[in-house]
Amino acid sequence: AQRVTQPEKLLSVFKGAPVELKCNYSYSGSPELFWYVQYSRQRLQLLLRHISRESIKGFTADLNKGETSFHLKKPFAQEEDSAMYYCALRGGSQGNLIFGKGTKLSVKP
Amino acid sequence: GAGVSQSPSNKVTEKGKDVELRCDPISGHTALYWYRQSLGQGLEFLIYFQGNSAPDKSGLPSDRFSAERTGGSVSTLTIQRTQQEDSAVYLCASSPPRPSHYSGNTIYFGEGSWLTVV
Repeated sequence: AQRVTQPEKLLSVFKGAPVELKCNYSYSGSPELFWYVQYSRQRLQLLLRHISRESIKGFTADLNKGETSFHLKKPFAQEEDSAMYYCALRGGSQGNLIFGKGTKLSVKP
Repeated sequence: GAGVSQSPSNKVTEKGKDVELRCDPISGHTALYWYRQSLGQGLEFLIYFQGNSAPDKSGLPSDRFSAERTGGSVSTLTIQRTQQEDSAVYLCASSPPRPSHYSGNTIYFGEGSWLTVV
């Protein structure tokens, strides 16, 4: 069965500090992993996906198949990064997208 | 329209009443998803439509919930005999068709329908 686990409901850091939002998944095949973000009063939107190996707004995420993890990292957090972050998994080429419960990131000045 | 459109944006209903929530996906998108977002529960998958295939209904929490998609476009999520625990934001999303060699398709979300059952 597909499952996405985000162990932290809330993560609070100070501006300029490094941040890591954890995501672990359970899937027997080769999954596609995504991070979605929801800023206050805005709709949910894609932040990044593992196949693109890109850095968006300073965030990166590396798929670690051995540890079944896809942690989201940023070396220097900014106040505007405060938002709700969801890790998501798609199994199969036409499969559904399953989300974790989300982590609320709060970046303090 | 330019994005996924949902209506109503807000709905307050009495316990026991039926409600219908509508989703207009982005034109040309073959996949359509319904999720429920509630405090402490994150994004809960409800149902997934992909083209003409049978929908994946595995996330529907009870037989009071149903959804249909007419003509491969507009979808309606129906909740019968609403309960207070149904209060949540119901999110719809859609994604375009994917060529067989491509992976990593993006899904686009609507703004959601806020349902409050009193």
